[in-house]
Amino acid sequence: DAMVIQNPRYQVTQFGKPVTLSCSQTLNHNVMYWYQQKSSQAPKLLFHYYDKDFNNEADTPDNFQSRRPNTSFCFLDIRSPGLGDAAMYLCATSRVTGANVLTFGAGSRLTVL
Amino acid sequence: QKEVEQDPGPLSVPEGAIVSLNCTYSNSAFQYFMWYRQYSRKGPELLMYTYSSGNKEDGRFTAQVDKSSKYISLFIRDSQPSDSATYLCAMIIQGAQKLVFGQGTRLTINP
Repeated sequence: DAMVIQNPRYQVTQFGKPVTLSCSQTLNHNVMYWYQQKSSQAPKLLFHYYDKDFNNEADTPDNFQSRRPNTSFCFLDIRSPGLGDAAMYLCATSRVTGANVLTFGAGSRLTVL
Repeated sequence: QKEVEQDPGPLSVPEGAIVSLNCTYSNSAFQYFMWYRQYSRKGPELLMYTYSSGNKEDGRFTAQVDKSSKYISLFIRDSQPSDSATYLCAMIIQGAQKLVFGQGTRLTINP
């Protein structure tokens, strides 16, 4: 089945220790998104790629970076995690930008000690 | 004021009840309205979407949009324990880059 796979599902890190979360997709979608979702809050878009074009949200902290080495993979790097970065990180894909239909991965839950 | 407001709940109802989930929004330019369902420890999955005002039915689920009131609803008939999840409304302006999500309503259907 075509899908969006996120790894790891659960990540525990120490304050300030860099973390990388990965996302892969077999849908051959052009657009890949990273969302941050905190408990009982709306998913917050951090950035998205249309193919190799990177689009950063204005309020995404510099602490968050992303890489998309090819169509199938996208990475979220958190350079110096703080306690406030503990959240579920969701990867999603769509065929085009501005799509109303996103396909989400199961998420990576980050805990910062 | 948030662009999209959704009552976070939690909402707990007995099996078989009719459930009504709602969102209000402030931007009249929104044109596509979606409902995503998110099970515990999973990513959201699209349940239904509608374009502009009106109703759309899919099995036990009905999505309703009232653009004049800036109000959308999701009705679940004959609710089942398997419907227990967080329901997120989302909307987008045609041509815009991104969806705007509500914060989600946590729903529990009790057997």
